[in-house]
Formats: sequence, structure tokens, C-alpha cells
Amino acid sequence: QKEVEQDPGPLSVPEGAIVSLNCTYSNSAFQYFMWYRQYSRKGPELLMYTYSSGNKEDGRFTAQVDKSSKYISLFIRDSQPSDSATYLCAMSAYNNYGQNFVFGPGTRLSVLP
Amino acid sequence: NAGVTQTPKFQVLKTGQSMTLQCAQDMNHEYMSWYRQDPGMGLRLIHYSVGAGITDQGEVPNGYNVSRSTTEDFPLRLLSAAPSQTSVYFCASRARGGSYNEQFFGPGTRLTVL
Repeated sequence: QKEVEQDPGPLSVPEGAIVSLNCTYSNSAFQYFMWYRQYSRKGPELLMYTYSSGNKEDGRFTAQVDKSSKYISLFIRDSQPSDSATYLCAMSAYNNYGQNFVFGPGTRLSVLP
Repeated sequence: NAGVTQTPKFQVLKTGQSMTLQCAQDMNHEYMSWYRQDPGMGLRLIHYSVGAGITDQGEVPNGYNVSRSTTEDFPLRLLSAAPSQTSVYFCASRARGGSYNEQFFGPGTRLTVL
């Protein structure tokens, strides 16, 4: 079993739709949960991060973490064509050298005008 | 700030050739890492460094070498390129200490090994 699982998609939605992206994980030591956005042929950029369980909202984006179920989600409201990208979930736990990051494979999202 | 920069953007090698992928950051970050990204696999850690002179192996270190002589630079060396090393390589950096520190990624190097 992979440490972090994520549906690779592709996921296509019409403009204005609510998008739900999800990841599951197996390591209960993870403390920080992140979502990165990666445009084609670019490096990943951090969208949001959450510490432990709960919700976090930033504009049209909401991140949810349920540690009891080992499940995290990213919701995008009023999706725009500019949201078309690959979304990577990532998680981290501390080791002797600080944080150890583990990434999901990414979900490719297309928002159609 | 330029952030994290990587050169070259693209590279084609023949099996057995060696090369160095360059990475530099101007944010005075202590932590730097190299990842490879392959379809369906996510980002996998190759090597990382917690400061000048200190490096360690990640998940997939075989065939790669690193050194960290300065805070700014963290080159990745392919010793004898193999087709299995065809991938997109990302360098990342972040500040040390405290709680969460954002990891910043470079634009990537697309490597093809024939």
C-alpha cells in the first residue's frame, strides 16, 4: 500500500462547478497536510496547508483534514478555467532532520469554459 | 528574489553519460532537496541537505550524487545516466526550524536518457 493515495483523474468540470479533490494516507504520524498546484511544465506551488485535523478556508479554496479517517480534501468553489492544473496533496511528519514530506501522485483537473 | 532556480530546463543524454543539474536559491534557506517526478508516482525524494556540508539520502538515491558546499547551491550529479533516470527533476528549499515552513520549488529540469 502506498503511503499516500490520490486519484490521478483526469477530472473535467464545467466553469462554476464545485470541485472536490481527495487523498488518503496510512501514516498516522503525519501532522501537516498540504495542497500544491502545478501548472503544466512548471514547479509545484503551495496552495494551502493545515496542521492536524479541521478545516481551513482561503478564498474559493477549502482544505479539510480528518485524521481519524486518514482522509484529506480540497474543495474549489466557483471553479475557473485558470484552476486547470494538477493538484498534489502532500503530508509531513518530523524526523531527525526536521520534516519529511510525502507527496501523492496528483489529480489532473480541467475546468471547461 | 529569484527564489529557486534550476539549469538546464531540458537535457538529452545518452546512456552512460554523466551530467550535473544545477540548483540555486537566494532565500538563505538551510534545507534543500532534490525530487524526481514520474507519471503516477508523485514526487520522490532523491537526496536532501540540512545545511552546507550536510547531505543525506532520500527514497531513491541510487545513481545520483550530491554535495552542498554553500548555502545557496545544491547540485545533483548523475554518475552514469540510465534510461530509468528519464524524469522531471525538481529542486526545493525551505527555512529551518520552528513549526511548518513552506517548501519552495524550482521550475524543473526535464531529462531524457536515450
